[in-house]
Amino acid sequence: DTGVSQNPRHKITKRGQNVTFRCDPISEHNRLYWYRQTLGQGPEFLTYFQNEAQLEKSRLLSDRFSAERPKGSFSTLEIQRTEQGDSAMYLCASSWYRGGTGELFFGEGSRLTVL
Amino acid sequence: AQSVTQLDSQVPVFEEAPVELRCNYSSSVSVYLFWYVQYPNQGLQLLLKYLSGSTLVKGINGFEAEFNKSQTSFHLRKPSVHISDTAEYFCAVSNQAGTALIFGKGTTLSVSS
Repeated sequence: DTGVSQNPRHKITKRGQNVTFRCDPISEHNRLYWYRQTLGQGPEFLTYFQNEAQLEKSRLLSDRFSAERPKGSFSTLEIQRTEQGDSAMYLCASSWYRGGTGELFFGEGSRLTVL
Repeated sequence: AQSVTQLDSQVPVFEEAPVELRCNYSSSVSVYLFWYVQYPNQGLQLLLKYLSGSTLVKGINGFEAEFNKSQTSFHLRKPSVHISDTAEYFCAVSNQAGTALIFGKGTTLSVSS
């Protein structure tokens, strides 16, 4: 199956530690998105890339968060000095964009628990 | 800026009954509209989308939605639900500039026998 892959699926960490999540998109997709989802809420947009360029960042993406997509393939989302409020499901999605929005294909998410 | 309001946080129904999940959006430009479904412990899956053309769109699993520009709504319907339709449903909006999808808070559909 060549869907969107996210790793790790679950991460438990202590407050103050750094964590990194990886997303491997569908290979021919040029756009990659990160969302955050907390219990009882819809996915909240964090940031997205077109190829290797980060085109938009949400105000939710504090300076403790950084995302990269080197070479326009996989992406990483790093959270520095984690706080309990960072506990959430982090979702990655990819799409083929060419002049109009296309369907986003989502991975199964990476669940972060900050103790 | 765009926003989405899902008017019902929870919708309980009996099996084989019809269901409507309501979604209203706000946008100053032309929009693309989507419904996604999230089954327990699974990723989000596209049910259907409206990009242009016919305002009635059909999706997977017997769902359909109608785009109503004057009422800025995109309600999701199914004439007869199954137990397996129990899931979280999300309405989302984007625009022709290709900005990221903005999601509503979701509606939990619970189907019982």
